Amino acid sequence: GESVGLHLPTLSVQEGDNSIINCAYSNSASDYFIWYKQESGKGPQFIIDIRSNMDKRQGQRVTVLLNKTVKHLSLQIAATQPGDSAVYFCAEKIMGYGNKLVFGAGTILRVKS
Amino acid sequence: GAGVSQSPRYKVAKRGQDVALRCDPISGHVSLFWYQQALGQGPEFLTYFQNEAQLDKSGLPSDRFFAERPEGSVSTLKIQRTQQEDSAVYLCASSLAGGYNEQFFGPGTRLTVL
Repeated sequence: GESVGLHLPTLSVQEGDNSIINCAYSNSASDYFIWYKQESGKGPQFIIDIRSNMDKRQGQRVTVLLNKTVKHLSLQIAATQPGDSAVYFCAEKIMGYGNKLVFGAGTILRVKS
Repeated sequence: GAGVSQSPRYKVAKRGQDVALRCDPISGHVSLFWYQQALGQGPEFLTYFQNEAQLDKSGLPSDRFFAERPEGSVSTLKIQRTQQEDSAVYLCASSLAGGYNEQFFGPGTRLTVL
């Protein structure tokens, strides 16, 4: 299928290694952050979320870190697998701007076997 | 089905034609969102419904774009007099409610305007 991320930054990792994908945001009123995974020809799939009153949240093989001081969000994937290959987007909800999500530009993750 | 469905999956239109894109949200989900995703970019918000009420249409790029959800379930995004810059993937998402509830996305409709 056609790639959704033809001009996005790419992270290439070896299978079994850990991956770290970064995202910067600019609005200090953002109070909720979500990481989505998007495979070619599919819609974004929820991975993990975090509210602004937390700085770390863990899921199965994934961890999200939030640094509000520098407005930075990261997604860590442990023991990366070929099935993790996709485009990853961070999204934020900005307090006072309703329920819409504002998405970042995205990062392509390629896992080499 | 358990997820959000959209139809058609692919649509080719000649410039100037009108198109209608359909979204079937997850049953019971109050909130419904439309996003536009250009090639190589992240989704961008178009409009938001809570039940049948359109509470936010700030992302609609022009008055050629119109969305409705008359019975608070299925939604239709209509684009009149399509132009080449309308070519994109149109994503629909639904959630139980607004706030901090997860938005579940459909597979999208890829619109190509020739």
